[in-house]
Amino acid sequence: QSALTQPASVSGSPGQSITISCTGTSRDVGGYNYVSWYQQHPGKAPKLMISEVSNRPSGVSNRFSGSKSGNTASLTISGLQAEDEADYYCSSYTSSSIKFGGGTRLTVL
Amino acid sequence: EVQLVESGGGLVQPGGSLRLSCAASGFTFSSYWMHWVRQAPGRGLVWVSRMNRDGSSTNYADSVKGRFTISRDNAKNTLYLHMNSLRAEDTAVYYCARENWGNYFFDYWGQGTLVTVSS
Repeated sequence: QSALTQPASVSGSPGQSITISCTGTSRDVGGYNYVSWYQQHPGKAPKLMISEVSNRPSGVSNRFSGSKSGNTASLTISGLQAEDEADYYCSSYTSSSIKFGGGTRLTVL
Repeated sequence: EVQLVESGGGLVQPGGSLRLSCAASGFTFSSYWMHWVRQAPGRGLVWVSRMNRDGSSTNYADSVKGRFTISRDNAKNTLYLHMNSLRAEDTAVYYCARENWGNYFFDYWGQGTLVTVSS
């Protein structure tokens, strides 16, 4: 059960936009619209940011958006703010289990 | 307010056993699939196990299959993870998480409980 592939790190300046990719296969990301994204600050529990590829839960800033093309899903954060600095994880349903990405550390310069 | 509170973590020797609990409140526990997810120190999230609403169906990650057992008591609004034959690589913070209405994402997470496997 190998993890989904995410870049280890991304960075951006305040106000800029960044995109984090999440690459899987046709058996997970590409096969279902069950991709979600989580934000995790150090020492805290993960927080849902995007569900089912592109749905934003209430209370999550509209600066966060999700999309998918083929076997790769993406999380875009626009108008970067200092509080966005955190680890981000994608996840996908796959044959009776859930698979996470390895995580991406976002640094706001 | 939805709350998930894990307990039962601690230091255990290799080969030992431990039972984690996750007390749920603020929602109808018996209406939701529930999961365990773990995170080794400095590492990423890893899905461990899930159980359906009435406890009749379970799934496990290959890494824990045959050693861990998920269970629930809907009368007590509590999810459990029974861990046997523990290994050093099981050292992690264990989170319980609520799955949103069969849509395979987690809308609520507990704060986690740390399990350390070491002699």
